[in-house]
Amino acid sequence: AQSVTQPDIHITVSEGASLELRCNYSYGATPYLFWYVQSPGQGLQLLLKYFSGDTLVQGIKGFEAEFKRSQSSFNLRKPSVHWSDAAEYFCAVGGGYNKLIFGAGTRLAVHP
Amino acid sequence: IAGITQAPTSQILAAGRRMTLRCTQDMRHNAMYWYRQDLGLGLRLIHYSNTAGTTGKGEVPDGYSVSRANTDDFPLTLASAVPSQTSVYFCASSDIPSGEQFFGPGTRLTVL
Repeated sequence: AQSVTQPDIHITVSEGASLELRCNYSYGATPYLFWYVQSPGQGLQLLLKYFSGDTLVQGIKGFEAEFKRSQSSFNLRKPSVHWSDAAEYFCAVGGGYNKLIFGAGTRLAVHP
Repeated sequence: IAGITQAPTSQILAAGRRMTLRCTQDMRHNAMYWYRQDLGLGLRLIHYSNTAGTTGKGEVPDGYSVSRANTDDFPLTLASAVPSQTSVYFCASSDIPSGEQFFGPGTRLTVL
């Protein structure tokens, strides 16, 4: 069955520290992969997406993610976290003609 | 350009009542979706529509119905609301197969 796992429910980092949010997926074909961010009380905003080609993709707000087929992973990274990055992050995989399957989310807290 | 609008922003509803959540997009996207977001479960697809005049069931369709009379509107109806339908509901749209989905701001629904 198609699924997305985000192993970390909550992560806390200090401002300026590096960040990596984990995402593992189960999908039968070549996946389309996405990372979305949700600020409190808001809708979801796309950070970045992978369809094909270069496995390291750059997104908005200084985020990047690397697709590793052998590990079925699509981890999100940022070299230096800002306080405004505190939010919930969702990994998603394309589940067939536009349908996305979302992970449960990782809530990021940033300490000053 | 408004993108996707949802109404109402929030609603408290008595169990057994009928409720329609409205969703309108101005991007002329072919595909539209309804998700519900529950703590610890991420977003789950309720219903989708690949193009005007067609609809399909998602992961959690029971108790919900949708219609797609035109490209822009995709209302979600709860025929007889139950407390387990208390959730935050997001409408989304997409313009190409397996493409990026754009999300509305959400409707917070409480069924008592």
